[in-house]
Amino acid sequence: GDSVTQMEGPVTLSEEAFLTINCTYTATGYPSLFWYVQYPGEGLQLLLKATKADDKGSNKGFEATYRKETTSFHLEKGSVQVSDSAVYFCALSTSTGFQKLVFGTGTRLLVSP
Amino acid sequence: GAVVSQHPSRVICKSGTSVKIECRSLDFQATTMFWYRQFPKQSLMLMATSNEGSKATYEQGVEKDKFLINHASLTLSTLTVTSAHPEDSSFYICSAHGGINTEAFFGQGTRLTVV
Repeated sequence: GDSVTQMEGPVTLSEEAFLTINCTYTATGYPSLFWYVQYPGEGLQLLLKATKADDKGSNKGFEATYRKETTSFHLEKGSVQVSDSAVYFCALSTSTGFQKLVFGTGTRLLVSP
Repeated sequence: GAVVSQHPSRVICKSGTSVKIECRSLDFQATTMFWYRQFPKQSLMLMATSNEGSKATYEQGVEKDKFLINHASLTLSTLTVTSAHPEDSSFYICSAHGGINTEAFFGQGTRLTVV
């Protein structure tokens, strides 16, 4: 079945460091790919998405490119801030209509000043 | 974005008792809600799809008699864990959709501990 694998955390960085969180997927068909973020005490929020190969999703300085050849959707940010500390979830959906999401395990990011 | 409120955020209950978790869409009508569960160091796993006014659709391996889902209105879905046992201890989270091809909005999640 469909699955998402993302790197285990926590990822600990200093402010202004470069961030990469790896995400690879296995899916039948052509999935849409997502990154969600969960700040402490809050629900998951959609950070960015890409719906077809070579699409780049971007938001708040974060980027991820849909790579069909490597089945990857790595999350990157050039300069992290303390406020980026959160749990990041990679997810995919192959369903149409309502998004039935398949999630990775989540990666906790800790950014220190 | 839209707001989904999930309550309670944490609950501790005794083995054998039942626990109800509420998921409310505060500023939109949710025709469909999803319930997920996450065990430690594992992915969020879809448990069931809840459609307003009809029976929930459960994923394979999820006991529908143990995890009762009710979606009686367009703004409220509830998940009741019946006769809870320690192995039901987990993180439960809901998501809500306003319509087809719309974004999923998530609740804050509920940490259930059964002792």
